[in-house]
Amino acid sequence: KNEVEQSPQNLTAQEGEFITINCSYSVGISALHWLQQHPGGGIVSLFMLSSGKKKHGRLIATINIQEKHSSLHITASHPRDSAVYICAVPTGNQFYFGTGTSLTVIP
Amino acid sequence: DVKVTQSSRYLVKRTGEKVFLECVQDMDHENMFWYRQDPGLGLRLIYFSYDVKMKEKGDIPEGYSVSREKKERFSLILESASTNQTSMYLCASRSGQNDNEQFFGPGTRLTVL
Repeated sequence: KNEVEQSPQNLTAQEGEFITINCSYSVGISALHWLQQHPGGGIVSLFMLSSGKKKHGRLIATINIQEKHSSLHITASHPRDSAVYICAVPTGNQFYFGTGTSLTVIP
Repeated sequence: DVKVTQSSRYLVKRTGEKVFLECVQDMDHENMFWYRQDPGLGLRLIYFSYDVKMKEKGDIPEGYSVSREKKERFSLILESASTNQTSMYLCASRSGQNDNEQFFGPGTRLTVL
């Protein structure tokens, strides 16, 4: 059983499209993280959120704690957004991770 | 700026060899983690450490051991490498507990022949 489920696993979009990646979790949390991993690269944190919505440039993350669901949106997608996006929930010392969504944005 | 460094980006070893993967962080973080990342399986926790000389098994500790002699350094050891340990290995560190962000190293892609 996965504590964190992400969808879709793979996503291909045309440049300029609006993209949504979803994350559902079964554990009780107070915050959720969205991470980005470029090909061959390390992992960087995009957002940490515990309620409502956060925006950073063209990226928007939302969370509904009651429904145990979060979404990551990318507006006006660009080829440089091509990466793996991972949601992660902290529990005590550890994190539970989704399996990631591999996004490819075609020019 | 937090920096987590790993000793190698790419490593090729033979079956049965002993392999050391080193991780160093420069922000005085208490917690350090070793993960492996495989296609379709995501990040899986091998071991973590919440203090010097302290370690806890993660989800997949079999075939691995760790060492944390100093706060800034966390080593992952494969006593006798096997082909099923071919993977991307990622180290991370975090301050305290709860919701604090994890900072990741660049990863080591290990191939065991």
